[in-house]
Amino acid sequence: LAKTTQPISMDSYEGQEVNITCSHNNIATNDYITWYQQFPSQGPRFIIQGYKTKVTNEVASLFIPADRKSSTLSLPRVSLSDTAVYYCLVGPFSGNTGKLIFGQGTTLQVKP
Amino acid sequence: ETGVTQSPTHLIKTRGQQVTLRCSSQSGHNTVSWYQQALGQGPQFIFQYYREEENGRGNFPPRFSGLQFPNYSSELNVNALELDDSALYLCASSADRGAETQYFGPGTRLLVL
Repeated sequence: LAKTTQPISMDSYEGQEVNITCSHNNIATNDYITWYQQFPSQGPRFIIQGYKTKVTNEVASLFIPADRKSSTLSLPRVSLSDTAVYYCLVGPFSGNTGKLIFGQGTTLQVKP
Repeated sequence: ETGVTQSPTHLIKTRGQQVTLRCSSQSGHNTVSWYQQALGQGPQFIFQYYREEENGRGNFPPRFSGLQFPNYSSELNVNALELDDSALYLCASSADRGAETQYFGPGTRLLVL
């Protein structure tokens, strides 16, 4: 099972780019990497998912090196509303029986 | 608006009791996953149901059981409640198994006294 490790917390200021790295040394060949955002008293919300190299959508980018033992979520120009807990999730894609494991999460505090 | 609903929103039980939590999946989704989230911790995977069959289970004892119905809604049952079962229980639905993008409901907050 791929266990993930993330920084417990990060601080940033409005308008800055934030990069959160997740380590997953035991990632399996059929595992994908998914990031979620969670606000207090709400369920997590999907941000981005990838398998290798770089993935970009309207809210974030995900960088995955060739060995796939880590990944970095990049949030461009954060705002106060990006203050939340960010989780890295590693697990097999459809068709497989897998245990989905969340990391401990990174609490991002964006300051004005 | 994710379309995933959970009931009840809050629940208080005492040790030894049994509880049933319910989840309605998003339209078109056939997979439901359940998670337990203790205060200050990340969600812990309990199990996943795909087309009414269990498709993967986390490290939870057998007193945690589940069910998925033909309409793909789901129930989480916990027997012999313990104090440590106090947590936010999250349901997530997805269009397929595994790590397919999951859409989470608001959760059920369970307090065991």
